[in-house]
Amino acid sequence: DGGITQSPKYLFRKEGQNVTLSCEQNLNHDAMYWYRQDPGQGLRLIYYSQIVNDFQKGDIAEGYSVSREKKESFPLTVTSAQKNPTAFYLCASRRETSGPNEQFFGPGTRLTVL
Amino acid sequence: AQSVTQLGSHVSVSEGALVLLRCNYSSSVPPYLFWYVQYPNQGLQLLLKYTSAATLVKGINGFEAEFKKSETSFHLTKPSAHMSDAAEYFCAVSFAPGTYKYIFGTGTRLKVLA
Repeated sequence: DGGITQSPKYLFRKEGQNVTLSCEQNLNHDAMYWYRQDPGQGLRLIYYSQIVNDFQKGDIAEGYSVSREKKESFPLTVTSAQKNPTAFYLCASRRETSGPNEQFFGPGTRLTVL
Repeated sequence: AQSVTQLGSHVSVSEGALVLLRCNYSSSVPPYLFWYVQYPNQGLQLLLKYTSAATLVKGINGFEAEFKKSETSFHLTKPSAHMSDAAEYFCAVSFAPGTYKYIFGTGTRLKVLA
């Protein structure tokens, strides 16, 4: 079955540590996205990538970094510079054709800073 | 500025009653509109999308939404609520063909009362 996988499901981090969240898709989608979800705030865009080896900052990129070395993979690193990283992180992808293509979402990673 | 607003962060309905979740957008260009559903600790799943082919859009699980340009609205409805409809619902907008960015509403949590 095609889809998006995120790992781990739950992640605990000590203050001052960097952590990397995995996102893999086998939908052959060109575009991939990372969102942060906090209660009552909806989804906020962290980074997005349209093609391999290219990515753009979203609305809340500070304290995060990404890479896009392969079409299938778009890992997100939460650095120690992110002051309040505890949140639910969602990865998404989208097929690139003309028209209103929807995003497909992974199951999410819940990050907790101890 | 382009934006999307969901009125009511929490909505409660009785089982079998009409479900109405509100979404309004602000845009100077024609929008593409989406409704997603999220169950606890899961990713988002597409319910339906507006593609300009028809103003009344039918989606999965008995949901539908009507695009009203004059009211800049895309409200989600279901004639008869089921206990399994309890979830959080997000309205999302993108504003041009090929655009890579989406704007999400802050979500409406639907509670279904027995």
